[in-house]
Amino acid sequence: AQSVTQPDIHITVSEGASLELRCNYSYGATPYLFWYVQSPGQGLQLLLKYFSGDTLVQGIKGFEAEFKRSQSSFNLRKPSVHWSDAAEYFCAVGSGGYNKLIFGAGTRLAVHP
Amino acid sequence: DAGVIQSPRHEVTEMGQEVTLRCKPISGHDYLFWYRQTMMRGLELLIYFNNNVPIDDSGMPEDRFSAKMPNASFSTLKIQPSEPRDSAVYFCASRVKGDYNSPLHFGNGTRLTVT
Repeated sequence: AQSVTQPDIHITVSEGASLELRCNYSYGATPYLFWYVQSPGQGLQLLLKYFSGDTLVQGIKGFEAEFKRSQSSFNLRKPSVHWSDAAEYFCAVGSGGYNKLIFGAGTRLAVHP
Repeated sequence: DAGVIQSPRHEVTEMGQEVTLRCKPISGHDYLFWYRQTMMRGLELLIYFNNNVPIDDSGMPEDRFSAKMPNASFSTLKIQPSEPRDSAVYFCASRVKGDYNSPLHFGNGTRLTVT
C-alpha cells in the first residue's frame, strides 16, 4: 500500500539558515509527489509538485524539492528561511488514480529570530 | 476569486446532536473533496464528488457521516449523531479537473468540537 513518512515531527531553525524537510514514500509505480504548507488556521496550499522529468523541482516562496528514486525520497529545501515560513509542511503522494492524495503526518517548522 | 468557503469556522456541540458543515467550492471547479484532520490520523480523505456526483466515499468512517452536493456551488457534510471522537478539523477542497496538474484548493476548515 502507498504511504508517506515524514520522520521529523518538529524542526526549529534560525532565520536565515538553510532548511531541509524529509519525506519518504512507498509506491509501486512512478509517483506523483507534492509538498503542501499549512499556516495556522488556514487550509493547505500547494508549494510544488513532481510528476516526471527533471528531478529538481522549483516551487513557490523559494522552495525546491528533489526526487530521488533510489532513496524513495522527495525532500523539501530552502536555502534561507524567513520567519514567515513557520508553518506545518505536508508531503503527499498521489494514489489510486488522480483523486486520492495520501498525506504524511506533517512537519511543524518553527523559526527563531 | 474568493477561494473555497467553509462555514462555520468553529462548531461546538454536545454528543448526540446533529452537525452540518458547509462548503462552497470555487466556481468552475468540477471536483469537490472533504478531508478530516486529526492529531492521531493526520489528513484523511472522506469523500469526493465529480460534477455533484459522489465518486468515492470509502473514507467515510461510518453511517453517521453523510455528504451531499445538491448543486455545483454547495456541499454539506453531516454527522448524526455526533460523538466526541468526531472532534477534528474538516476541510473542503476543490479542483478544476480530475488530474494532478490541477491543484487542490483548500478552504480554511471547520474546527468541530463534540463534548
